[in-house]
Amino acid sequence: KQEVTQIPAALSVPEGENLVLNCSFTDSAIYNLQWFRQDPGKGLTSLLLIQSSQREQTSGRLNASLDKSSGRSTLYIAASQPGDSATYLCAGIYGQNFVFGPGTRLSVLP
Amino acid sequence: EAGVAQSPRYKIIEKRQSVAFWCNPISGHATLYWYQQILGQGPKLLIQFQNNGVVDDSQLPKDRFSAERLKGVDSTLKIQPAKLEDSAVYLCASTPLGGWTGELFFGEGSRLTVL
Repeated sequence: KQEVTQIPAALSVPEGENLVLNCSFTDSAIYNLQWFRQDPGKGLTSLLLIQSSQREQTSGRLNASLDKSSGRSTLYIAASQPGDSATYLCAGIYGQNFVFGPGTRLSVLP
Repeated sequence: EAGVAQSPRYKIIEKRQSVAFWCNPISGHATLYWYQQILGQGPKLLIQFQNNGVVDDSQLPKDRFSAERLKGVDSTLKIQPAKLEDSAVYLCASTPLGGWTGELFFGEGSRLTVL
């Protein structure tokens, strides 16, 4: 069974810190992996898509890596800001099937 | 480019009543998904359409949930009769080709409360 887990479930950091969010998947036959952000009461917003041929992807202060052999992806956020406070979800992509983790709820304190 | 549109944003109903949600995907996106998201959890797939055909509805509770995508564009998800445990956010998402190379784009969701 394809499962995705995320650790930690919640994280609180002071503004300016660099932080890492973790995503683990049980089926290494993953094709792509996508990271999302979800603000309270909103839908999911795509942050980064890592294709199977890539090992990492960067957008601004965000960097995501994918290691299929170890079944892990990490999302690195540099110089965190209060506006980064949200829930971050990862999804393993198997063909046309997206398997979501439960998310990490991030709070960045001013 | 317009995003995925969903309506209504909020709906409150009594148990055993019916409700319908509407979704208009991004123009040109062939694949459309309906997800159920319960508070504190990740989205769970209900049904996937490719154009106007069903690709995967294995997790759709077919005794009470139904969905259609007429003409391969808009889609409607219906619940009848609703149960308390159906209280959740119903998310519609679309992607051009499916998971091969396309990102998944979500609407704002429809929040259902069943009393």
